[in-house]
Amino acid sequence: QVQLQESGPGLVKPSETLSLTCTVSGGSISSYYWSWIRQPAGKALEWIGRIYTSGSTNYNPSLKSRVTMSLDTSKNQFSLKMSSVTAADTAVYYCATIGSGYSLGHWGQGTLVTVSS
Amino acid sequence: DIQMTQSPSSLSASVGDRVTITCRASQSISNYLNWYQQKPGKAPKLLIYAASSLESGVPPRFSGSGSGTDFTLTISSLQPEDFATYYCQQSYSIPRTFGQGTKLEIK
Repeated sequence: QVQLQESGPGLVKPSETLSLTCTVSGGSISSYYWSWIRQPAGKALEWIGRIYTSGSTNYNPSLKSRVTMSLDTSKNQFSLKMSSVTAADTAVYYCATIGSGYSLGHWGQGTLVTVSS
Repeated sequence: DIQMTQSPSSLSASVGDRVTITCRASQSISNYLNWYQQKPGKAPKLLIYAASSLESGVPPRFSGSGSGTDFTLTISSLQPEDFATYYCQQSYSIPRTFGQGTKLEIK
């Protein structure tokens, strides 16, 4: 059973870059694709984007100009960088991967990122 | 982007009740529709994929139906552990989009 774990700073200053890593265990990152989703407190889920094992990406157009995803197959990790953050980017960030059908079947526990000076 | 609209936004029900949550897509998504359950402080958990397929390990009191633009999630007999927030999500096109959620509360 694949397991995912997010890590990274819990506090980021406005205008700086948010950086998160997701470590995958119980499966190889060299298969399928890997996604990021976020959720502001008390609000709905928002899909940020995904990265394929080839390195190709799909981003949410609403965030595309500020988001970069990458893979590190040697460490079985994938990463998210989001630049020029504001308070509106404060949220719990989840990493996830494909499950049955085209669902998001496996999720990390989530990590809270707060944007504040 | 495909907009997903859930109704109701919140629902009060009692243990043993049958409840139905509706999700409507802004355009046809065939059966590329998934349902998730989220409890406070936890990651979403997949319940139903491809509109009507029950994820392994999920109790059979959960069922999904629909195709095209209109979908439903039904819980046949509510159990105490089912009180949570439920989200639909389309996997038909990029960007993936979620409904706004339905919070199921104890009456």
